[in-house]
Amino acid sequence: IAGITQAPTSQILAAGRRMTLRCTQDMRHNAMYWYRQDLGLGLRLIHYSNTAGTTGKGEVPDGYSVSRANTDDFPLTLASAVPSQTSVYFCASSDSPSGSASDTQYFGPGTRLTVL
Amino acid sequence: TQLLEQSPQFLSIQEGENLTVYCNSSSVFSSLQWYRQEPGEGPVLLVTVVTGGEVKKLKRLTFQFGDARKDSSLHITAAQPGDTGLYLCAGDSSDYKLSFGAGTTVTVRA
Repeated sequence: IAGITQAPTSQILAAGRRMTLRCTQDMRHNAMYWYRQDLGLGLRLIHYSNTAGTTGKGEVPDGYSVSRANTDDFPLTLASAVPSQTSVYFCASSDSPSGSASDTQYFGPGTRLTVL
Repeated sequence: TQLLEQSPQFLSIQEGENLTVYCNSSSVFSSLQWYRQEPGEGPVLLVTVVTGGEVKKLKRLTFQFGDARKDSSLHITAAQPGDTGLYLCAGDSSDYKLSFGAGTTVTVRA
């Protein structure tokens, strides 16, 4: 069982470039999430999707966009990367779309992104 | 401002010792979760507590949810090197789904 896969594992990107982080899950979960993890700040929600075809903004959505064309894939795009977007990005999924603390979220291995 | 405050930020102990990690907030949560994250990996759910005053045990790990559902603690008995990792608590956020604390980095020395 693969669970959630993320690509690339790591990336160094020049400021101003466009970048798409890929996330695929094989658990047929309804809900998917993108977080960024920064030292001392923990995990912060960027965008989420309760079900295919819908997306929503999280705590820190500026500079990021997402799409959910099907159940399995939830790509995160940085239209014009800036150094403050240097972070580790985690994709997660859950079976329930409520996104509450009563649901189990399954996380991918993360993408380490450095913007210079 | 962090909705959930975790303390301490770092904890280093010898194998066999006990440790407690705290997760506090001024907000009331309907439920709260604890995750463990190892270097280079994503967080993995350890437990969910849903009732004020609830105590759950997972082998040597004991989780407690405060009576007022504003705080939680994780106690590890006789810690082992395999317990090393980043421990994260997470609770409901009315706006942003699940809200995470900054985490406590635990190092257990052999």
